[in-house]
Amino acid sequence: DAGITQSPRHKVTETGTPVTLRCHQTENHRYMYWYRQDPGHGLRLIHYSYGVKDTDKGEVSDGYSVSRSKTEDFLLTLESATSSQTSVYFCAISERGSYGYTFGSGTRLTVV
Amino acid sequence: SQKIEQNSEALNIQEGKTATLTCNYTNYSPAYLQWYRQDPGRGPVFLLLIRENEKEKRKERLKVTFDTTLKQSLFHITASQPADSATYLCALDISLSSNTGKLIFGQGTTLQVKP
Repeated sequence: DAGITQSPRHKVTETGTPVTLRCHQTENHRYMYWYRQDPGHGLRLIHYSYGVKDTDKGEVSDGYSVSRSKTEDFLLTLESATSSQTSVYFCAISERGSYGYTFGSGTRLTVV
Repeated sequence: SQKIEQNSEALNIQEGKTATLTCNYTNYSPAYLQWYRQDPGRGPVFLLLIRENEKEKRKERLKVTFDTTLKQSLFHITASQPADSATYLCALDISLSSNTGKLIFGQGTTLQVKP
């Protein structure tokens, strides 16, 4: 999607290894979010950021950490990957909290 | 906890007809509600936002209603086309006064428009 990119697009990793997913935006939006999408659960919020170095937890934050040292980058780290973290991860951005989101294309992560 | 329900079964309609999708929620009073479209293998795309003080919103062939008493939103696509086939997601803002835009999503309804 224009203005927001996620990397990598696909990743296979082993249980117990740390993994970092990157979200990069060129829109200078204040708000950034990480969601995971799983069959039967829909999209669930992991962490979000409302400014540089300002982050907070979502509903499924256990096992994940985030960092935002620059407006344009929001990193999601799986500290020690588990098979239950196999999922599609989406990053989203928003200019203001009450505006619609723009989503990235997603990262498909498989933990074996 | 907040709960959002959308039609769990796929909706199949004939081209040219109006598709109506339902979003019901409980245990919350959102300031606004959003609808997204998601195609297979892609991220959701924002379609419409409706605020609690708005009964109806339109955008081209799309219409959304919001009934805060019934805790329900209806999403209509008029003159539907096969290209409208996708999964449609309803989302509620749960950030309250912080305006951080924390959304919770329904699981979506898959719409199939047949020619």
